[in-house]
Amino acid sequence: DTEVTQTPKHLVMGMTNKKSLKCEQHMGHRAMYWYKQKAKKPPELMFVYSYEKLSINESVPSRFSPECPNSSLLNLHLHALQPEDSALYLCASSQVSPQGGRTDTQYFGPGTRLTVL
Amino acid sequence: AQKVTQAQTEISVVEKEDVTLDCVYETRDTTYYLFWYKQPPSGELVFLIRRNSFDEQNEISGRYSWNFQKSTSSFNFTITASQVVDSAVYFCALSVRGQNFVFGPGTRLSVLP
Repeated sequence: DTEVTQTPKHLVMGMTNKKSLKCEQHMGHRAMYWYKQKAKKPPELMFVYSYEKLSINESVPSRFSPECPNSSLLNLHLHALQPEDSALYLCASSQVSPQGGRTDTQYFGPGTRLTVL
Repeated sequence: AQKVTQAQTEISVVEKEDVTLDCVYETRDTTYYLFWYKQPPSGELVFLIRRNSFDEQNEISGRYSWNFQKSTSSFNFTITASQVVDSAVYFCALSVRGQNFVFGPGTRLSVLP
């Protein structure tokens, strides 16, 4: 059983809506990630939080806004999305090595399937 | 720059056949990590194995085995006596310290009854 949970499992929203995706991990990990995955493609990294601070933003449009309220929670706030943003959104977490690298195993949640109409 | 190639886009086998999924990676770093993940139709990426660049021992876990060969920059994955539940997309990934995961394009495995 996964120890990374994501809600909701499915989300349908209009282009003017505001919604949030939630992710929670109970493994004591201090790095958390958001990925976007289109059909038949590998996951694409969007954001990385390390020790609750945003460390990487892979040039993601501002209509996606991440938030890390504490070491166990990660949110992704959505606003004014486009139909091309429809995808599977995956959350992951990992330990952070003493040297600060993020090469440890990432554990993924079940994902949220987002459809933008 | 890092790169992962999975040349097999789709593979179909009949149940109980053995199947090998290929993964070839590129990196100039001497310290790196290789991973395999399974993504069933439900969507979740399931971690299967992590191997560091200094450990070339092959590994077996039940019906799964992995063959790591630095000389050919390959980290291949074999499923013995495949089952329908093995049907999924399998991703090979490479991680270099301080860098993000680089995923391969994935191989879709269909195991037919």
